[in-house]
Amino acid sequence: TQLLEQSPQFLSIQEGENLTVYCNSSSVFSSLQWYRQEPGEGPVLLVTVVTGGEVKKLKRLTFQFGDARKDSSLHITAAQPGDTGLYLCAGADGNTGKLIFGQGTTLQVKP
Amino acid sequence: DTEVTQTPKHLVMGMTNKKSLKCEQHMGHRAMYWYKQKAKKPPELMFVYSYEKLSINESVPSRFSPECPNSSLLNLHLHALQPEDSALYLCASSQIQGYSYEQYFGPGTRLTVT
Repeated sequence: TQLLEQSPQFLSIQEGENLTVYCNSSSVFSSLQWYRQEPGEGPVLLVTVVTGGEVKKLKRLTFQFGDARKDSSLHITAAQPGDTGLYLCAGADGNTGKLIFGQGTTLQVKP
Repeated sequence: DTEVTQTPKHLVMGMTNKKSLKCEQHMGHRAMYWYKQKAKKPPELMFVYSYEKLSINESVPSRFSPECPNSSLLNLHLHALQPEDSALYLCASSQIQGYSYEQYFGPGTRLTVT
């Protein structure tokens, strides 16, 4: 059974601070996606990483896929209150296309 | 256009009611999904349709009945639900070919069973 361990589960920081969220697994994934979800809404796709070692940047967000395609990280620079939400990583099972979700990280950025 | 729409936005139903959730996408995706999500937890996969055929049923109780009338529409028929079925129900879609398996989610239907 594929599992994706996401940490931390909760994070409360002040505006302007930096943070990193981690997703780790013993399994290899075809790709890994990061989503952000606000209360009462569906997850919004932020990025997909496919190649081992890949780094993608989305404004103040930097996403990295591990060389072995088993882990990923999301780094936010100078967090803003608008970054508040539930962050989900999800690895794709190459055989079935199913997404294996991490437990999620609830981020609160205080002004 | 990466939009998946879902109706209704909110639904309150009694345990003896029959209701349906609807989902629509116009991205040409041939895989569609139903997920159930509890507060501050990740989505849990319920059903997968590939080319309008049910390909995965994650041992979901029969009081949930999915239907895919065509490649753009996905329904979830609800009957005799329990209070513990109250949750956010999410629809998603994706391409089938390729290796990225990106899924695009709708805004969800907030279901309350009384």
